[in-house]
Amino acid sequence: TQLLEQSPQFLSIQEGENLTVYCNSSSVFSSLQWYRQEPGEGPVLLVTVVTGGEVKKLKRLTFQFGDARKDSSLHITAAQPGDTGLYLCAGGNRGTASKLTFGTGTRLQVTL
Amino acid sequence: ETGVTQTPRHLVMGMTNKKSLKCEQHLGHNAMYWYKQSAKKPLELMFVYNFKEQTENNSVPSRFSPECPNSSHLFLHLHTLQPEDSALYLCASSQGLVSRAYNEQFFGPGTRLTVL
Repeated sequence: TQLLEQSPQFLSIQEGENLTVYCNSSSVFSSLQWYRQEPGEGPVLLVTVVTGGEVKKLKRLTFQFGDARKDSSLHITAAQPGDTGLYLCAGGNRGTASKLTFGTGTRLQVTL
Repeated sequence: ETGVTQTPRHLVMGMTNKKSLKCEQHLGHNAMYWYKQSAKKPLELMFVYNFKEQTENNSVPSRFSPECPNSSHLFLHLHTLQPEDSALYLCASSQGLVSRAYNEQFFGPGTRLTVL
């Protein structure tokens, strides 16, 4: 069974601070996706990374896929209250393309 | 309507009731999923349908019964549920093509279910 552990589980920071969320596994994944979920809503896809060492930027968010494709990180620069939510990573494998393994989640709260 | 829609958004039911959750996707996808999200637990995959065929049943109790009449619609029929079944039930869809390296999943807003 593939598992994805996220850390930290909870993070409460003030507006303007930087933060990094980690997603780790002992298994290799073909792809890694990051989602953000707001209360009462479904997860919204932020990015997909597929190549070991790949870095993708989405405004103030930077996503990195580990060289060995077993881990990933999400870095947020100058956090804003609108970044508040549950961040989920999810790993996929070629050949079982319909199925994702979701991480344990990181709940982020950004206050003024 | 665009994306993935779910109805109802909120549902309260007794343990002896029968109800159904509905999901519809407007993305032209071939795979649809049911997930259960409980407080302080990772997202739990329940069922996967690919081209209307069930390809995954993650040891879900028989009181949950899925139905996929076509690639755009997915139902979850509920009967004799337990209070511990209270959770957010999420539907998702993806292209579902095995030939792809990855299939991004797009989620609906969920149905918040409370079993009394």
